[in-house]
Amino acid sequence: NAGVTQTPKFQVLKTGQSMTLQCAQDMNHEYMSWYRQDPGMGLRLIHYSVGAGITDQGEVPNGYNVSRSTTEDFPLRLLSAAPSQTSVYFCASSYSTSGPNGGYTFGSGTRLTVV
Amino acid sequence: QQPVQSPQAVILREGEDAVINCSSSKALYSVHWYRQKHGEAPVFLMILLKGGEQKGHEKISASFNEKKQQSSLYLTASQLSYSGTYFCGTKPAAGAGSYQLTFGKGTKLSVIP
Repeated sequence: NAGVTQTPKFQVLKTGQSMTLQCAQDMNHEYMSWYRQDPGMGLRLIHYSVGAGITDQGEVPNGYNVSRSTTEDFPLRLLSAAPSQTSVYFCASSYSTSGPNGGYTFGSGTRLTVV
Repeated sequence: QQPVQSPQAVILREGEDAVINCSSSKALYSVHWYRQKHGEAPVFLMILLKGGEQKGHEKISASFNEKKQQSSLYLTASQLSYSGTYFCGTKPAAGAGSYQLTFGKGTKLSVIP
């Protein structure tokens, strides 16, 4: 199993450009989420999904869109990149949203710089 | 609301013990613990569910006091490989946000020879 695969690993964008960060998992996990990590801030939740066709906002959703058309894929779209979106982005998935199988598996991350 | 972790940083010599604390102002359903090494993704260590349980993972264990909304991570006889930043994540017991795992700011642990 590949686990959680994120692409690209690195990206530089110009202010105002749009792009999609890809996330795919092959573990048949129902729950998927996107976090951003900034120095000293910990991991902050952007959007999450409890299953195909269902998405919801997290703590810092502004400037980002998501969709979940399949169980495996959960792409994150930056609509119009801003320097404040410079960060490391992690995709995470879990088998369930509750119980002992709720631990998250993280992808390797995408380091995004907006200039 | 973000859980509060303490201490922010700790330096240990190999073989020493450490405790990392995580507290929340909300009633909790579960507490997660993760370790992240520099430049890598967080790695899941363990999950504790309400009910006040304690779990172990090699020489790393944790407890969850549901009534105090606190969890502690215990690292015994530390090894160099334990170095990294430890994050707790919390899920509320009910209501809005119950599907959301909120992370603390992390505790940086450095183990030196």
